[in-house]
Amino acid sequence: GAGVSQSPSNKVTEKGKDVELRCDPISGHTALYWYRQSLGQGLEFLIYFQGNSAPDKSGLPSDRFSAERTGGSVSTLTIQRTQQEDSAVYLCASSLNRGSYNEQFFGPGTRLTVL
Amino acid sequence: GENVEQHPSTLSVQEGDSAVIKCTYSDSASNYFPWYKQELGKGPQLIIDIRSNVGEKKDQRIAVTLNKTAKHFSLHITETQPEDSAVYFCAALNSGSARQLTFGSGTQLTVLP
Repeated sequence: GAGVSQSPSNKVTEKGKDVELRCDPISGHTALYWYRQSLGQGLEFLIYFQGNSAPDKSGLPSDRFSAERTGGSVSTLTIQRTQQEDSAVYLCASSLNRGSYNEQFFGPGTRLTVL
Repeated sequence: GENVEQHPSTLSVQEGDSAVIKCTYSDSASNYFPWYKQELGKGPQLIIDIRSNVGEKKDQRIAVTLNKTAKHFSLHITETQPEDSAVYFCAALNSGSARQLTFGSGTQLTVLP
């Protein structure tokens, strides 16, 4: 079956521009996560959506970062006025989130390069 | 919040040898510990997980051990093969207070033929 998909796979932008990254979770998964992975680093949690509940935005590094999830499915991560330090791979994951322990299925990521 | 430390950051082994990656966590209430494998250009994929009510779990050549008292858990890969080469991440979750995993910084495993 279809896994988590992300687009674009690569994005090169100029400093100061806005970018939008898209995530299509696995159908039926109610939980959706965004992570940032800098070169050689672990996964840094950014934001978490669960059903119709208010998202957990505690990991967003600044107010230039925002995300939304429309219709409980597709999610868009927006970075405004990009900076060079925003360069990283942005990973999206989804899970069923029924019960306490749920495998997170990751997409292939979007590699963002800010020049 | 939770803090997960992972060692070593890089590990090279000869094909057929065993590899061990260790993680420590800070929140004594954490109760779920998954391990993810990330191949080049791909997202991480779950390979094994363990819950706090067991001390060890095995799946073919992969095993995970958990020491709740010491707050550390380890991944063991036996009879390593070149296709085991990847970055491995440990993670921890306190399911009573959070829904997002806290990840370690990753281990680049290279299996030399």
